[in-house]
Order: sequence, then C-alpha cells, then structure tokens
Amino acid sequence: QVQLVQSGAEVKKPGASLKLSCKTFGYTFTGFPIHWVRQAPGQRPEWMGWIQAGNGNTKYSQKLQGRVTITRDTSASTVYMDLSSLRSEDTAVYYCARGGHDYGDYDNWGQGTLVTVSS
Amino acid sequence: DIQMTQSPSTLSASVGDRVTITCRASQSIGNWLAWYQQKPGRAPKLLIYDASSLESGVPSRFSGSGSGTEFTLTINSLQPDDFATYYCQQYNSYSWTFGQGTKVEVK
Repeated sequence: QVQLVQSGAEVKKPGASLKLSCKTFGYTFTGFPIHWVRQAPGQRPEWMGWIQAGNGNTKYSQKLQGRVTITRDTSASTVYMDLSSLRSEDTAVYYCARGGHDYGDYDNWGQGTLVTVSS
Repeated sequence: DIQMTQSPSTLSASVGDRVTITCRASQSIGNWLAWYQQKPGRAPKLLIYDASSLESGVPSRFSGSGSGTEFTLTINSLQPDDFATYYCQQYNSYSWTFGQGTKVEVK
C-alpha cells in the first residue's frame, strides 16, 4: 500500500539549516506530486510548497520563498525539503503528503517530523 | 492568499448526534475543497475531496456539500472514533490554505 516515511526529529539552533526526507513506497513515484505541510503547536496546517515528482517542477509559498527548496531523487523515490535561516517560529511538525485525486488534496501523509528550533 | 474560515471553532456533541461544520472561503474556489480529520499526534486524514466526494475507506456517515464560497461537512450519527479536529482546505489556487479547525468534543 502507499506509504510515506519521513526522517527523524531534529533540534536546530536559530540561523541553521534543515533537510528533511520523505521516502515513498507502494505507487509510481513520478505519477503524483508531493507537498510539504507544517503545523505549529495548536495551529492550523500551513502549506509550504510542492514538487511534481515527474518533471521536478516546484512551487513554494510566498511566505517561505527564498528559504525553502524541495528536490527529489527519482531513483530513490524520495523527496527532500530544505529550509534555511531557521527561526523559533519554524518550530513545528513537518509533513510530506501526496497530492491525490486532483493533486491538491492530500490522500496519503507521512508520519510527521518534529522540528524544534531553539538556542 | 484565499482565507478559509470554519465555524464553530469548538462543537460539543454526543454519540449518535448529527454534526455540521461550515467552511467559508474569502473568494470563490469552485468545488476545490477537501475535509480532513486529525487526532492528537497524528497526521490529518483525508475524508472528502472535491467538496463532496467521499475518500475510499471513509465511512458513509461523513458527507460534504457546497460550492463557490460556502461548504459543509456533515457527520451523521456521530461515533466515538469521530471525536477529533476537522479542517477544511482549499486547492483552487497555487497557494493551498486550511481553515483554523473545528474541534468536536464530548458533550
């Protein structure tokens, strides 16, 4: 069945960079986009960006533009998300999610990665 | 960005109740709307997509309706497993946004 498995929890200092991974299983990797969504404690989910796994095209939220980069390795069926210049407000659970029926809804999610940014 | 507003923020209900949650968009989004259920410490789970299509494996007591700017999620005969937080999400524009959530709690 479809599975998205994310890398483990991270603790970072302000100003540092972050790289998370999302390895996919159980479907044709290039056939669906992958989105990154984060959720700060007690807050609504926030879309960060997406990558079309087939051609590598990306789009990012305006709020994070310039700090976030999403890439993929088709040979490993894995998507990566880099976030630079971390600040305390980046503390959140980060999810990867597969774009589903219309590529904009998320039909399968990773388990989430807790990222804590603290000095 | 398109703003999504849910009401109510919290809803107290009992097992067997019919529950309705509303989601309003700041501009028309056609039927490009999804509903998710989230439990503490877990990823959201897709319930409804395209405003009214039931995701595979989701119980038929969940239903969605609406188009344009106003949408509803209805849970018929609330079950113990349904106490959770529900989010709407629009995917009309290339800047996906979520509502603030509705927590369904035990009355």
